[in-house]
Amino acid sequence: AQKVTQAQTEISVVEKEDVTLDCVYETRDTTYYLFWYKQPPSGELVFLIRRNSFDEQNEISGRYSWNFQKSTSSFNFTITASQVVDSAVYFCALSEARQAGTALIFGKGTTLSVSS
Amino acid sequence: DSGVTQTPKHLITATGQRVTLRCSPRSGDLSVYWYQQSLDQGLQFLIHYYNGEERAKGNILERFSAQQFPDLHSELNLSSLELGDSALYFCASSLEGSGGISYNEQFFGPGTRLTVL
Repeated sequence: AQKVTQAQTEISVVEKEDVTLDCVYETRDTTYYLFWYKQPPSGELVFLIRRNSFDEQNEISGRYSWNFQKSTSSFNFTITASQVVDSAVYFCALSEARQAGTALIFGKGTTLSVSS
Repeated sequence: DSGVTQTPKHLITATGQRVTLRCSPRSGDLSVYWYQQSLDQGLQFLIHYYNGEERAKGNILERFSAQQFPDLHSELNLSSLELGDSALYFCASSLEGSGGISYNEQFFGPGTRLTVL
């Protein structure tokens, strides 16, 4: 069965600190996708990134970076120089790779609070 | 703005009632997914429609049903409502390519917050 674990329930940092959100997943599939979503206080779910299981290259987008390690089944998310606007709940998700798409399996989320 | 619209934004109703939540996917997206977000269960998949056909069911109660219409909009019907059905209901859509494997990037609507009193 597929499972996503985000062990950190809540993290509090001060602005400009770097913070890493952990995500560990379980799947028997050899091909799968991993995702990160952001849910700000307003409630919507914002897509941040998708990673294919066959592509272990790390990715950087501005202050955001993602570290995918198949050997440890982890897909961690780092925010560099955090800002108050980064305060949100962050979800890691996993899906199978199927032609017509499949449901996302979400972790419980990590609530990030960034104070000024 | 994800391009996915959901109505209504808020819904307050009483136990035993029936409600309908509506979702319009992004232009061109054939797949619609419904998810429920509650404090105790987190984000859970309910049901997936692809081009008008039901593709997969998740933890959807028998009191709940959905459909996707020819214009690809979808409705989630919740009946005999209970207090525990109070939650945020999200619709998501994704573009499934013809042939080949979908990358499954799902874009979420703003959600409908259902409160059952």
